[in-house]
Amino acid sequence: KQEVTQIPAALSVPEGENLVLNCSFTDSAIYNLQWFRQDPGKGLTSLLLIQSSQREQTSGRLNASLDKSSGRSTLYIAASQPGDSATYLCAVTHTGTASKLTFGTGTRLQVTL
Amino acid sequence: EAQVTQNPRYLITVTGKKLTVTCSQNMNHEYMSWYRQDPGLGLRQIYYSMNVEVTDKGDVPEGYKVSRKEKRNFPLILESPSPNQTSLYFCASSAQFVHTEAFFGQGTRLTVV
Repeated sequence: KQEVTQIPAALSVPEGENLVLNCSFTDSAIYNLQWFRQDPGKGLTSLLLIQSSQREQTSGRLNASLDKSSGRSTLYIAASQPGDSATYLCAVTHTGTASKLTFGTGTRLQVTL
Repeated sequence: EAQVTQNPRYLITVTGKKLTVTCSQNMNHEYMSWYRQDPGLGLRQIYYSMNVEVTDKGDVPEGYKVSRKEKRNFPLILESPSPNQTSLYFCASSAQFVHTEAFFGQGTRLTVV
């Protein structure tokens, strides 16, 4: 059974800092991995999608990497801003259960002034 | 604007009173699904649909029904809601079954008393 873990569960950093969020999964047989952010009272916003054949994806200040063989992904946020405060979730599509996303429990990020 | 729209956003109901949460997407996506999010349990899939008239159970389908009569709509039906169905519900869609980005609605917070 695929399990997805995110560490740390919560993180507080001062504005301007570069930071890394971690996501690990137990089974490397995945189609892709997707990073989302969730704001209180709002839905999930897709940030980056990495296919299993890719090593990384970039969007603005965000860079996500994927090491499928070791079951790890990182989300790098450059020059963090208070508006980045949210819960960040990673999710994988496993080849054995391609009908669904398997989510991690998230990292709650707070960027302080 | 490409989006997934859920209604209602908030709902308080009583045990046993049938309700429907609607979900509509305007991206002509084939694949749609429902998730529920609970503290400590993360997001879990309830039902999914690969296309019109094709639906199947996810991880936690008990107490729920779905239908997919049109490509754009995928309502979630609770025939006899119970307090353990109090949760935050999300509808999601993607262009294809795998390899494509998932888009989520804003969520429906349901309380069953």
